[in-house]
Amino acid sequence: AQSVAQPEDQVNVAEGNPLTVKCTYSVSGNPYLFWYVQYPNRGLQFLLKYITGDNLVKGSYGFEAEFNKSQTSFHLKKPSALVSDSALYFCAVRGYYGNNRLAFGKGNQVVVIP
Amino acid sequence: DTAVSQTPKYLVTQMGNDKSIKCEQNLGHDTMYWYKQDSKKFLKIMFSYNNKELIINETVPNRFSPKSPDKAHLNLHINSLELGDSAVYFCASSQDSLRGGTLGTDTQYFGPGTRLTVL
Repeated sequence: AQSVAQPEDQVNVAEGNPLTVKCTYSVSGNPYLFWYVQYPNRGLQFLLKYITGDNLVKGSYGFEAEFNKSQTSFHLKKPSALVSDSALYFCAVRGYYGNNRLAFGKGNQVVVIP
Repeated sequence: DTAVSQTPKYLVTQMGNDKSIKCEQNLGHDTMYWYKQDSKKFLKIMFSYNNKELIINETVPNRFSPKSPDKAHLNLHINSLELGDSAVYFCASSQDSLRGGTLGTDTQYFGPGTRLTVL
């Protein structure tokens, strides 16, 4: 079964500094990878996804993620963090031979310090 | 023009009661989902319907019963509510089609959530 690991519970970063949220995955076959963001008391919002093609994926709000097959990683990045980026970030994966389910990681709380 | 909507937003009820949460999507999607987010923010799929057909039914107590009257609606009925049912329940939809054979590859769009509190 597919699974995702988001090793850090919380990521603290100063405003203006680069932001990285880590994600590693385990699937059968090629992965389909997603990042979602959840603001307080809101539903999940889609940021970006990797299905196939270029390993560097650009998404909403200036975020991007790089698919690394050898390291089974899909880290989320933003060159310059904003206070408004403070939220809960979820990585999710489905394998090509998977069971039609998206497996979500436990989420990473990002705190951007002014 | 909300894409995925849920009602109610908040639901406070006593143990043993029966309650329903409604979900509607106006995106024309074929697949809808129910997720449960617990107090630690862990997100777990409960059910998924594709064109009114149940395709995912995770290990969920029989007290939970989804119903899809049409492909734009997926409701969740919960019988005999228990304290442990307290959580935020999210509805989602995606364009995934069973005919494509690759469910889960399309972006899922989430509703705002229903916070259920069982007293």
